[in-house]
Amino acid sequence: QSALTQPRSVSGSPGQSVTISCTGTSSNVGGYNFVSWYQQHPGKAPKLMIYDVTKRPSGVPDRFSASKSGNTASLTISGLQTEDEADYYCCSYAGSFTVLFGGGTKLTVL
Amino acid sequence: QVQLVQSGAEVKKPGASVKVSCKASGYTFTSYNIQWVRQAPGQRLEWMGWINAGSGNTVSSQKFQGRVTITRDTSANTAYMELSSLRSEDTAVYYCAREVVGAVWFDPWGQGTLVTVSS
Repeated sequence: QSALTQPRSVSGSPGQSVTISCTGTSSNVGGYNFVSWYQQHPGKAPKLMIYDVTKRPSGVPDRFSASKSGNTASLTISGLQTEDEADYYCCSYAGSFTVLFGGGTKLTVL
Repeated sequence: QVQLVQSGAEVKKPGASVKVSCKASGYTFTSYNIQWVRQAPGQRLEWMGWINAGSGNTVSSQKFQGRVTITRDTSANTAYMELSSLRSEDTAVYYCAREVVGAVWFDPWGQGTLVTVSS
């Protein structure tokens, strides 16, 4: 299966908001409410930021929010901080107990 | 605290196999799944498969079927991922991650194991 489609890069200034999209199909993103988002700093393991489309694990700032419409999920980071600069990956259930990741988006905080 | 600790870096020749371990602590090992994900240098995360640590049932990505074997040792609270017939394109960091059974999110992740395939 091909990866979910994410923009290769996004950028924003401190204090601004950015949104990262994740586009799939009705066989994955659009078909299930099992979208999660991961933050990955260089050389580090990914960290769960959002699960079940909109839910935040404890410890994740409420500046991180997410949604889904049709086959596209979105992650919004408001009040950008320098430590938010990282790669972000979406992930979706794809049926038959399989999982699909997005291509990843590099967030630059200018 | 919940922790997954993976085995150390490996260097393998093309055609060989590699077995990466993932030792769990801080929770009931058999009540969760262990997922395996890899990341080639500078590339995206790529899902490989998972094991239900309780039942031992596994599912793997079609891309790796026939080459990947995921197992677990409940007495050691450890999961394993073995990849055979290695080629240079398998050079990557391999991660394990815990998953709640019935959920589809991974938390926490192991620290990663670099596998380098080179002649």
